[in-house]
Amino acid sequence: DSGVTQTPKHLITATGQRVTLRCSPRSGDLSVYWYQQSLDQGLQFLIQYYNGEERAKGNILERFSAQQFPDLHSELNLSSLELGDSALYFCASSSGGSDTQYFGPGTRLTVL
Amino acid sequence: GENVEQHPSTLSVQEGDSAVIKCTYSDSASNYFPWYKQELGKRPQLIIDIRSNVGEKKDQRIAVTLNKTAKHFSLHITETQPEDSAVYFCAARVVGGGADGLTFGKGTHLIIQP
Repeated sequence: DSGVTQTPKHLITATGQRVTLRCSPRSGDLSVYWYQQSLDQGLQFLIQYYNGEERAKGNILERFSAQQFPDLHSELNLSSLELGDSALYFCASSSGGSDTQYFGPGTRLTVL
Repeated sequence: GENVEQHPSTLSVQEGDSAVIKCTYSDSASNYFPWYKQELGKRPQLIIDIRSNVGEKKDQRIAVTLNKTAKHFSLHITETQPEDSAVYFCAARVVGGGADGLTFGKGTHLIIQP
């Protein structure tokens, strides 16, 4: 157990819908990262937040957004969902002074 | 941006033999190189990492080597066991740069034959 929690574990929805994925980092970690894992694209970095502020952006679509709240939990919002958005979404956390990222168990999103 | 190539995509070895997975990266500014193990349907778990000021690091049966000049790094697993069967990912990152996310290779499916 990495100490990073994610909810829900599974999510099934329809095209065009909007969903929110939630992540709680390890106690004391200030950075949260979001990654998407799909068969064709592999593991891709989406976005990073550090202590409530957006820090870095990767291959995140405009239909996707994220935020980090004062209690440091983070939410990833996916809108206008397409079939191709079906994937495993992981969040990871790290402390401010560490390189090491610890991954949560992931949320499996299925878009029908 | 950074690009990480990983080979082979599948590796089958006899139990007890060694396994080697190789990665190359493109951004010479990358300075942190972790390796993750992922079992089917589970989260990636960090197994070892190396920073650019070190050439080699070892942890029991696992070792990682880094050649900054050639921009490649490798994972070595000795005395392989059935529980080593999984998908292994290498990654690279520029710590302190504008984008702090990890760039991953496509993964290597390691199969340990009994």
